[in-house]
Amino acid sequence: QKEVEQNSGPLSVPEGAIASLNCTYSDRVSQSFFWYRQYSGKSPELIMSIYSNGDKEDGRFTAQLNKASQYVSLLIRDSQPSDSATYLCAVKGFQKLVFGTGTRLLVSP
Amino acid sequence: KAGVTQTPRYLIKTRGQQVTLSCSPISGHRSVSWYQQTPGQGLQFLFEYFSETQRNKGNFPGRFSGRQFSNSRSEMNVSTLELGDSALYLCASSFGQGFTGELFFGEGSRLTVL
Repeated sequence: QKEVEQNSGPLSVPEGAIASLNCTYSDRVSQSFFWYRQYSGKSPELIMSIYSNGDKEDGRFTAQLNKASQYVSLLIRDSQPSDSATYLCAVKGFQKLVFGTGTRLLVSP
Repeated sequence: KAGVTQTPRYLIKTRGQQVTLSCSPISGHRSVSWYQQTPGQGLQFLFEYFSETQRNKGNFPGRFSGRQFSNSRSEMNVSTLELGDSALYLCASSFGQGFTGELFFGEGSRLTVL
């Protein structure tokens, strides 16, 4: 079992729709969770972090955490073509981040 | 504030050679992590350094090594290159003494092994 699992996609949504990206993790003691965005040919950039169960909102982005189910999600409201990228879920381990392989999101105009 | 700088950006080597990659973190950041990114495996953790000490190492063979200098700059070395070492090598820095998980990545060094 992979430590962090994501559906590779692509997830295709029309412009203006809500994109929902999901991630599961295997280490029950994990306390810190992150979403990174990676545009094609670029390096990852941090867009959200979440540490407590529930929702955390930042602009059009909402991260959701359910530790009991070992599940993290990222919602992108009013999706824009510029949101088309690969979204990497990451879970903090001992002095390292463990990344999922990413979900490719395609937002069509 | 300058971002994380990695050199060289691109390089081509042949099997059996060795390579050294360099990373300068954001000013004030003392933790430096290295990751290997390939299409099939995604981002794989190589090592993390803080104050010249390696605090964690990933599951890579001993051909992969690294170090950090007193100014927080870091280098990684891969000896006896294999075709499978072709990848994007990403360096990331973070602020603070503890490892927060909030990483700032450089643009990467793309290594091709022929």
